[in-house]
Amino acid sequence: QIQLVQSGPELKKPGESVKISCKASGYTFTDYAMHWVKQAPGKGLKWMGWINTYTGKPTYADDFKGRFVFSLEASASTANLQISNLKNEDTATYFCARPAGHITTTRYYFDYWGQGVMVTVSS
Amino acid sequence: NIVMTQSPKSMSISVGDRVTMNCKASQNVGNNIAWYQQKPGQSPKLLIYYASNRYTGVPDRFTGGGYGTDFTLTINSVQAEDAAFYYCQRIYNSPPFGAGTKLELK
Repeated sequence: QIQLVQSGPELKKPGESVKISCKASGYTFTDYAMHWVKQAPGKGLKWMGWINTYTGKPTYADDFKGRFVFSLEASASTANLQISNLKNEDTATYFCARPAGHITTTRYYFDYWGQGVMVTVSS
Repeated sequence: NIVMTQSPKSMSISVGDRVTMNCKASQNVGNNIAWYQQKPGQSPKLLIYYASNRYTGVPDRFTGGGYGTDFTLTINSVQAEDAAFYYCQRIYNSPPFGAGTKLELK
């Protein structure tokens, strides 16, 4: 069955970096893009961007340009999110999400989600 | 940038009631809307895509409607397990989510 399994919770200090992973199984990794979604405590969902798992090209939403990097370990069917120079407002749960449509689609609705990774930034 | 506005922010409903929540897009998005359900501590679950298509396994008491800028999610005969947050999302380009509607059971 299709699964997206994310890495464990992280506790970091401001200014540090964090890298979280999303390992996919049950389908051909390069046939579907991978998107990232942020959810701050008690808040709604915020789309961060996506990575083309075939070409490796990332696309970032405006609010996530600069300190955020999407990357792949395609041989391990894994997508990564790295956040550098962490700030208190980065405290959130980060989800990876797979679109229902093939990688060539421009329609992004998400039928599979990772379990989420809680990143806490605190001095 | 397109903004998705959901209303109401919260609602309190009795089991068995029918409930409708709204999602308004700031521009015409055709039928390019999805709806998700999220319970506390869980990942979102896809309910509806292309405004009115029910995702696999979603109970038929969930119905999506609308076109253009105004969309609805209706739950007929609400069950206790439907208590959750519900989010709409435009499903192309940068796919923004609405702020959500919290459904509570009385």
